[in-house]
Amino acid sequence: DVKVTQSSRYLVKRTGEKVFLECVQDMDHENMFWYRQDPGLGLRLIYFSYDVKMKEKGDIPEGYSVSREKKERFSLILESASTNQTSMYLCASTREQGAWDTQYFGPGTRLTVL
Amino acid sequence: SQQGEEDPQALSIQEGENATMNCSYKTSINNLQWYRQNSGRGLVHLILIRSNEREKHSGRLRVTLDTSKKSSSLLITASRAADTASYFCATDNYGQNFVFGPGTRLSVLP
Repeated sequence: DVKVTQSSRYLVKRTGEKVFLECVQDMDHENMFWYRQDPGLGLRLIYFSYDVKMKEKGDIPEGYSVSREKKERFSLILESASTNQTSMYLCASTREQGAWDTQYFGPGTRLTVL
Repeated sequence: SQQGEEDPQALSIQEGENATMNCSYKTSINNLQWYRQNSGRGLVHLILIRSNEREKHSGRLRVTLDTSKKSSSLLITASRAADTASYFCATDNYGQNFVFGPGTRLSVLP
C-alpha cells in the first residue's frame, strides 16, 4: 500500500524558531512536493524535487528551503518562522520524473507559529 | 492567478441526490485530476482524465473534460453522508507542475 508520512500532525513553534517538517514516502517515487494550504486559497506549491539533491522553486518559496538527501525523504525548512507561516503543510509524491500523474499525499502537518 | 478554479465554492445537498462540481483552467494541460480531502486530512486521488479523453467513470463518479472550454466537471451520483468533503481539481500546467484550485466544500445532509 502506498504511503506518505509526515513527522508531525500538529506543531506549535515560536516566531524566529527554525522549523523542520519531514516527509517520507515508501513507494520509491522520483518526485516529491511541498504545499501549504490556507482557507480560500487552496494548495500552493512551495518547492518540489524530481531527484535526490535536486530542488525547484514552486509558486511561493520565500521564507522556505528544502532538502532531499535521500530519495524517500523530503524536508521543508522554515529558517526563521513567522506568524504568516501558520498553515497546513502537505507533502506529496509522484511516481516518475516528468510523469505528472497521481499525487499521493501525506496526512498533513498543521503548524501554528506564535 | 490560479490555474484551476472550482465552482461552486460550497454545495449542500440531501443524501441520495447528485452533486456536480465544475473546474475551469487557463492554460494547456496534459491531464486533469480530481482529489477529495476530508476535514483536516491529506488529499486522496479520485480520478485522472487525460487531455484526449472526454469522459471517465469510476464507481459513482463521472468526470467530463472539455478542452475547448478549458473546463471539467465532477458528478457524484447518489451521494452519501460519507461524501462530505472538499473536492479539488488539479492540472499539470502542461508538464511544469501541479496547480490546484481553491476547492468546493460539499456537505451531504442525512
